[in-house]
Amino acid sequence: SAVISQKPSRDICQRGTSLTIQCQVDSQVTMMFWYRQQPGQSLTLIATANQGSEATYESGFVIDKFPISRPNLTFSTLTVSNMSPEDSSIYLCSVESTDYEQYFGPGTRLTVT
Amino acid sequence: GEDVEQSLFLSVREGDSSVINCTYTDSSSTYLYWYKQEPGAGLQLLTYIFSNMDMKQDQRLTVLLNKKDKHLSLRIADTQTGDSAIYFCAERESSASKIIFGSGTRLSIRP
Repeated sequence: SAVISQKPSRDICQRGTSLTIQCQVDSQVTMMFWYRQQPGQSLTLIATANQGSEATYESGFVIDKFPISRPNLTFSTLTVSNMSPEDSSIYLCSVESTDYEQYFGPGTRLTVT
Repeated sequence: GEDVEQSLFLSVREGDSSVINCTYTDSSSTYLYWYKQEPGAGLQLLTYIFSNMDMKQDQRLTVLLNKKDKHLSLRIADTQTGDSAIYFCAERESSASKIIFGSGTRLSIRP
């Protein structure tokens, strides 16, 4: 299994500002992902964070709104830009191990006022 | 597109078995997963099954896969109060590492 940490665990932000969320894994992994879980909802994939190249975004998510960095095989960041109250969600980082198990971080609970 | 469906709620008596059901649409799914989410917590990978298997058992958990009907179930034997959580079914697309999640089933335990 993989141990994943995220920072911050929660934050309250004002609309129009940006927040960068960090994800750290305790081992090198090829695949890292960012998900969003809106209140009372299921998880939606935002993008796949690719090491050494641009992230691959899912339909409905764009790089200008959710820029992602992946500088190495153990770390990634997700920025939520120009926030509005609709961005209030839990943001989760996940990784895939070599045997197709996908593990999730504890999540970052974001509230936009 | 791919879709994963689950019923939203399940209530069982403590000590009974819980059976959470899930249907999916992608016939080429390779792996199917069950995750548990307790209030205010992240997702815990409970178990998963490869698509060429019919059943997988792990202590109190039994996963059954009917590939023909695209139906997946999770059985929890001797359900305890600590099993109260939301259970998500998910499938891995055959062409990518992308996982599609169901809406989650909220399991509540009554005494």
